[in-house]
Amino acid sequence: RKEVEQDPGPFNVPEGATVAFNCTYSNSASQSFFWYRQDCRKEPKLLMSVYSSGNEDGRFTAQLNRASQYISLLIRDSKLSDSATYLCVVSPRKLIFGAGTRLAVHP
Amino acid sequence: NAGVTQTPKFQVLKTGQSMTLQCAQDMNHNSMYWYRQDPGMGLRLIYYSASEGTTDKGEVPNGYNVSRLNKREFSLRLESAAPSQTSVYFCASSEAVRSGNTIYFGEGSWLTVV
Repeated sequence: RKEVEQDPGPFNVPEGATVAFNCTYSNSASQSFFWYRQDCRKEPKLLMSVYSSGNEDGRFTAQLNRASQYISLLIRDSKLSDSATYLCVVSPRKLIFGAGTRLAVHP
Repeated sequence: NAGVTQTPKFQVLKTGQSMTLQCAQDMNHNSMYWYRQDPGMGLRLIYYSASEGTTDKGEVPNGYNVSRLNKREFSLRLESAAPSQTSVYFCASSEAVRSGNTIYFGEGSWLTVV
C-alpha cells in the first residue's frame, strides 16, 4: 500500500463548479500535512498547509481527519487557472508526496 | 530572486554514460533534496542532505551519488546511466528536515537515457 494515496483523476469540471479532492495516508505518526500545486511541466509549489481544525484560503478549504487518516481539498468557484495537478503531502518527518490528482477546468 | 536553480534543464544520455545534475539555492537553507518524478509514481526522494557535510539515502538511491559541496550547492551524479533513470529530477531545499518545513523546488531537469 502506498504511504499517500490520491485519486489520479482527471477531474473535468466547468468554470464555477465546486470540486473536492481526497487523500489518505498510512503513517499515523504524521504530523504535518500540505497541498501542493503542480502545473504542467513545472515544479510543485506550496498551495496551503492543512491544520487540524481545518483552514480556508480564499476559494480553497482544507480539512484533516486524523482518526480516519484522511485529508481533503475543496475548491469553490473553479477558475480556468485552477487547472493543474494537486499533490497531497504528508510529513512524519520528511515529506511524502502523493502521485497527484489532475484537475481540468473548462469554459 | 532565484530560489533553487538546477542545471541542465534537458539532457539526453546514452546508456552507460555519466553525468552530474547541479543544484544551488540562495535562501540560506540548511537542507537540500533530490527527487525524481515519474508518471503515476509521485515524487520520490533519492537523497537528501540535512545540513552541510551530511548526506543520507532516500527512498530510491540506487544508481545515484550526491555531494553537498557547500551550504548552497547539492549535486546529483549518475555514474552509469540506465533507461530506468529516464525521469524528471527536482532539486529542493528547506530550512531544515523537520515536519512542517516548507520545501521549495527548482524548475526540474528532464533526463532521457537511450
